[in-house]
Amino acid sequence: DIQMTQSPSSLSASVGDRVTITCRASQGISNFLAWFQQKPGKAPKSLIYAASSLQSGVPSKFSGSGSGTDFTLTISSLQPEDIATYYCQQYKIYPLTFGGGTKVEIK
Amino acid sequence: EVQLVESGGDLVQPGGSLRLSCAASGFTFSDHYMDWVRQAPGKGLDWVGRIRNKANSYTTEYAASVKGRFTISRDDSENSLYLQMNSLKTEDTAVYYCTRVGDPHYSDHWGQGTLVTVSS
Repeated sequence: DIQMTQSPSSLSASVGDRVTITCRASQGISNFLAWFQQKPGKAPKSLIYAASSLQSGVPSKFSGSGSGTDFTLTISSLQPEDIATYYCQQYKIYPLTFGGGTKVEIK
Repeated sequence: EVQLVESGGDLVQPGGSLRLSCAASGFTFSDHYMDWVRQAPGKGLDWVGRIRNKANSYTTEYAASVKGRFTISRDDSENSLYLQMNSLKTEDTAVYYCTRVGDPHYSDHWGQGTLVTVSS
């Protein structure tokens, strides 16, 4: 199975900060990588697919990059409504696998 | 608007069975692959399995942890997705989400989830 490793597991940043989350795959997955946001007590929501394509309706402050094994999710200016846990997922090879999540908090 | 509404979650004893349903609306259900994803209390997301569409013979894929115990099926005439869970274990306790698989093959829409608790 492909292991997806996210870092950090949690972070605390100030409003307006640029936040970057990384996701590393244990083997190359091209750009078959999605990012999801899960707010407390809610279902996950799709943010980015194909490593860098923004899901319809998602604000442009979210961006993704990477290919192969190393990927990043960036929030350009952190706002209180961005408090959530963020997950990456590879969908190139079965079984599909998620990263362990990154919990983002406001400092 | 895409809507996915799961139901059927309950408290069940270890070794028991349960069937979850997901009612889909707002899109052409028959065109899409569909996934089940679960989340144990306080834990991360865990992919359960996938069912493809009719054009791909309704074939399925499963996580190793549920293969042989869980079965995913669908009824395109009812716009419904199902998850039959047998031989349930305490570690199957989780919120189960139904997701639509978009193009490319990732979960682009999620339901609100239904809670399955396996306990004696």
